This record gives sequence, C-alpha cells and structure tokens, in this order.
Amino acid sequence: AQSVTQLGSHVSVSEGALVLLRCNYSSSVPPYLFWYVQYPNQGLQLLLKYTTGATLVKGINGFEAEFKKSETSFHLTKPSAHMSDAAEYFCAVSDTDKLIFGTGTRLQVFP
Amino acid sequence: NAGVTQTPKFQVLKTGQSMTLQCAQDMNHNSMYWYRQDPGMGLRLIYYSASEGTTDKGEVPNGYNVSRLNKREFSLRLESAAPSQTSVYFCASGTSLNTEAFFGQGTRLTVV
Repeated sequence: AQSVTQLGSHVSVSEGALVLLRCNYSSSVPPYLFWYVQYPNQGLQLLLKYTTGATLVKGINGFEAEFKKSETSFHLTKPSAHMSDAAEYFCAVSDTDKLIFGTGTRLQVFP
Repeated sequence: NAGVTQTPKFQVLKTGQSMTLQCAQDMNHNSMYWYRQDPGMGLRLIYYSASEGTTDKGEVPNGYNVSRLNKREFSLRLESAAPSQTSVYFCASGTSLNTEAFFGQGTRLTVV
C-alpha cells in the first residue's frame, strides 16, 4: 500500500522568506501526487497536482512542487511567504483506488 | 457553485445516540469519500464509493456505515456514537478513485 510522510508537523517562516514543506512517498510505480491547503474551519482545497509529464508543477497562490522520482519526494515551495499563506498543508498520493493523505504541516508566517 | 455540501456543520451527540451525516455533490462525480480529521493524524479514510451502488471500507470503518443513495449523495451513519468518534468529518468527491478530490466544508461532531 502507498504511504506518504510529511516531515515537520509545524513550520515557521518570516514574511518574505522561502517556504519549503517536505513530502516523501512510498511507491513502486510513479504515482499521482497532490498538495492540498486547509484554512481554519474550512475544507481542503487543491493547490497543485502531478500526474505525468513535467516534473515541476505550478499551482495556485505562487506555490510549486517538484516530483523527484530518485528521491521519492514531492516537496512544496514558495519563494516568498505571505501572511495569508498561514494554513495547514497536506500532501497526498494516489493508491489504486483511493487517495492517501499525510499527517499535515501547519505553516506559521511571522511579520 | 455548490460543489460538495455537507450537513450538518456542527453536532453534539450523547454516547449511544445515532445520527446520519449527509453529503451531496453537484459535479457529476463518480467517486465519493468520507474522511475523519483528528489532530496530528491527518485525514483518515472511513469509507469510499467508486460509483453508485458500490461502497468499500477504508482505513477506519469500525463504528460507521455508509449509503450511496444515488450518484449525488453519500451518507455516513453512526449507529451508536462513542467519544472516540469525536472528530471533524469531511466528505469529498472526484471523477475517479485516484484523482484529485473536492472537499466539503466539514462536520464538527462532538460525542459526550
């Protein structure tokens, strides 16, 4: 079965600093990979996804992620954090018949 | 754009009571899911449905039942609520089982 590991349950950055949220997956075949964002008291919203093709994927709100098969990673980055980026972020991987989510990383952005 | 609609948004139950969480989607999606979210544990899949008339157990199905009433609706039932079922419940839908999912706003359930 697939699994996904998010390193760091909490990440804090200053406004304007680089955001890096880590995600590693276990898979013997190239999976579909997703990043979701959850703002307080809301549902999850898709940020970006990798299915096939270009390994650098751009999403909404200036986020991007790179699929690295050799490292089984799909880290999420944003060059310059904004206060509005404060939220919880979930990495997810496709299994044969469902999506498997990581435990989430809460991003705090300080002024 | 309604998307995925869950009702109710909040509920308090006493131990042993039953209730049904309702979910409806208007995106003509085949697949629907129920997840629960608990602090530090991410989202865990309770049940899912690949299409109308089919349901399957996910990671944490004990204490729950589901019904895929039609293509639009997928309900989750707690027959005898327990404090361990205190959680935030999310319904989601997607075009197929391993593609992106669209989420509802969640139901915050407290069992006392």
